[in-house]
Amino acid sequence: GAVVSQHPSRVICKSGTSVKIECRSLDFQATTMFWYRQFPKQSLMLMATSNEGSKATYEQGVEKDKFLINHASLTLSTLTVTSAHPEDSSFYICSAAGLAGASTDTQYFGPGTRLTVL
Amino acid sequence: RKEVEQDPGPFNVPEGATVAFNCTYSNSASQSFFWYRQDCRKEPKLLMSVYSSGNEDGRFTAQLNRASQYISLLIRDSKLSDSATYLCVVTPQGGGNKLTFGTGTQLKVEL
Repeated sequence: GAVVSQHPSRVICKSGTSVKIECRSLDFQATTMFWYRQFPKQSLMLMATSNEGSKATYEQGVEKDKFLINHASLTLSTLTVTSAHPEDSSFYICSAAGLAGASTDTQYFGPGTRLTVL
Repeated sequence: RKEVEQDPGPFNVPEGATVAFNCTYSNSASQSFFWYRQDCRKEPKLLMSVYSSGNEDGRFTAQLNRASQYISLLIRDSKLSDSATYLCVVTPQGGGNKLTFGTGTQLKVEL
């Protein structure tokens, strides 16, 4: 089956620093990647959708200047949390969908990145 | 009102029991429906899609009632390994890839 990796799996940083999270599709080309955030005991919330080579589409309430998304290739998308603060501490999960042109592609999820901002 | 609502549980059941979870969704135009399973501190994994005619996969049976905007998941002969959080997921009208997740129902299967 399709495999999606995320790196790092866990990161602890000081308030004010920026953190980059990588999402890679290992055995397929991902035309679309999604970034989710999950706070404890809450549902996964979609933050943004990124298509290779174009700007990401952010969900309402998600600051695009704070959460920078780059989808430079068909196998890699990055999420950078700029000037992270304790309230940004969360579980960040990416997913990738691979069939170009299909409207209901299966999303394959990465293992997630647990961010703790001190 | 949340787009997808679930009873958070936990549901504590003995091994071998049958347990059912329900989920309601607010958008009557929602197109596709799924149950995902999420283990603690892990990513969600697709358990099964849900069809109007109902569908079964081994010990798992999913039902969709569009008129009542209601989805269910039935687990028979519960195993310890079934302990997890079960997420109800829908996609909007027009399909596309956007998934809307419920907060999940926690199941604990005990000896």
